[in-house]
Amino acid sequence: SYELTQPPSVSVSPGQTARITCSGDALAMKYTYWYQQKSGQAPVLVIYEDSKRPSGIPERLSGSRSGTVATLSIGGAQVEDEADYYCYSTDNSGNVFGSGTKVTVL
Amino acid sequence: QVHLVQSGAEVKKPGASVRVSCKASGYTFTKFAITWVRQAPGQGLEWMGWISAANGLTNYAQNLQDRFTMALDTSTTTAYMELRSLRSDDTAVYYCARGGSMAADFWGQGTLVTVSS
Repeated sequence: SYELTQPPSVSVSPGQTARITCSGDALAMKYTYWYQQKSGQAPVLVIYEDSKRPSGIPERLSGSRSGTVATLSIGGAQVEDEADYYCYSTDNSGNVFGSGTKVTVL
Repeated sequence: QVHLVQSGAEVKKPGASVRVSCKASGYTFTKFAITWVRQAPGQGLEWMGWISAANGLTNYAQNLQDRFTMALDTSTTTAYMELRSLRSDDTAVYYCARGGSMAADFWGQGTLVTVSS
């Protein structure tokens, strides 16, 4: 089955930039979406169609894609950005989530 | 604004079935699909499938399609999921979300389903 690969964890100092990668063979042809999930809460869409931000999402969250690798960047990370982040995309048979990346700001 | 409100927590025995509802409001129900996602305790998100509210078209995750059914009631703007032959590893929070093959943009609050003898 199709898989999206993410690093299990990323640590960043406050004010610095964190980058989370998501790799998958079909990403070159399919959009990537990113979700933020804080402890005990439902996921929130933070990036859609590779690089677009929904209304209300801070500009410090940005998305990009190069070939089969999508990247979520958190510029000027803040404590409130601590969360699990999941990439999401599709292949010919359905949708799939990445394994998730825990972002720690310390 | 868009709201998806799910039914309450359930406790089921192995082998039983569970049905979760998802009441949508704040948008034209038939213009979007409903996606179902689950999350086992301490684990990541697992896509289960989506159902189009425009025409009833479905797409199920292969590992669940024998036990999992999605349905809609457009008259009440409510989506339903049913999972049968429950096992302990079906214990999870189940989410509905607006959207199908593209982004799932608004999510319900989640429904905890516990499978235990």
